[in-house]
Amino acid sequence: AQSVAQPEDQVNVAEGNPLTVKCTYSVSGNPYLFWYVQYPNRGLQFLLKYITGDNLVKGSYGFEAEFNKSQTSFHLKKPSALVSDSALYFCAVRYNNNDMRFGAGTRLTVKP
Amino acid sequence: GAGVSQTPSNKVTEKGKYVELRCDPISGHTALYWYRQSLGQGPEFLIYFQGTGAADDSGLPNDRFFAVRPEGSVSTLKIQRTERGDSAVYLCASSLTGEETDYTFGSGTRLTVV
Repeated sequence: AQSVAQPEDQVNVAEGNPLTVKCTYSVSGNPYLFWYVQYPNRGLQFLLKYITGDNLVKGSYGFEAEFNKSQTSFHLKKPSALVSDSALYFCAVRYNNNDMRFGAGTRLTVKP
Repeated sequence: GAGVSQTPSNKVTEKGKYVELRCDPISGHTALYWYRQSLGQGPEFLIYFQGTGAADDSGLPNDRFFAVRPEGSVSTLKIQRTERGDSAVYLCASSLTGEETDYTFGSGTRLTVV
């Protein structure tokens, strides 16, 4: 069965520094991979997705993610973090069906 | 509408009572999904509708949970004989059909069973 893992519960970075939020996946075949962000008391918001093609995917708010098939990873990155990026981030996978499976989430805290 | 609407936003109920949670998806989205998110956890898949039919209900935890989408638009998640362990945020999402499409989520219904 397809699944994703987010190995870090919490990531702390200083404002202006680059950030990385890690995600690894387990699925046979070609996965569809997604990142969502959740702000307090709000639903999940779509950030970006990898379907096919270029391994580097650019999304909303300056975020990007790199699909690495050999390492089965899809890490979320941003060159310069903002305090307003502080939120809960979820990696998700879809494969040959229409339901999406989410990781447990990583809480990103960006300190001024 | 412009987004996915979920009502109520908060629901407090007593243990053993019946509750209904409503989801109004984006107009034209044929796929609708229910998820449950417990505190500190990622969303857990419950059920997926394609049109009026439940295409995958493998995530429903037991027979106390049931969902319908009679006209292929609004969906209602129904929980009978609620238990304290049912307390969570219930999220609804909709999408166009297709594995490559992303979901649009509602803000969720926070259910508290006391």
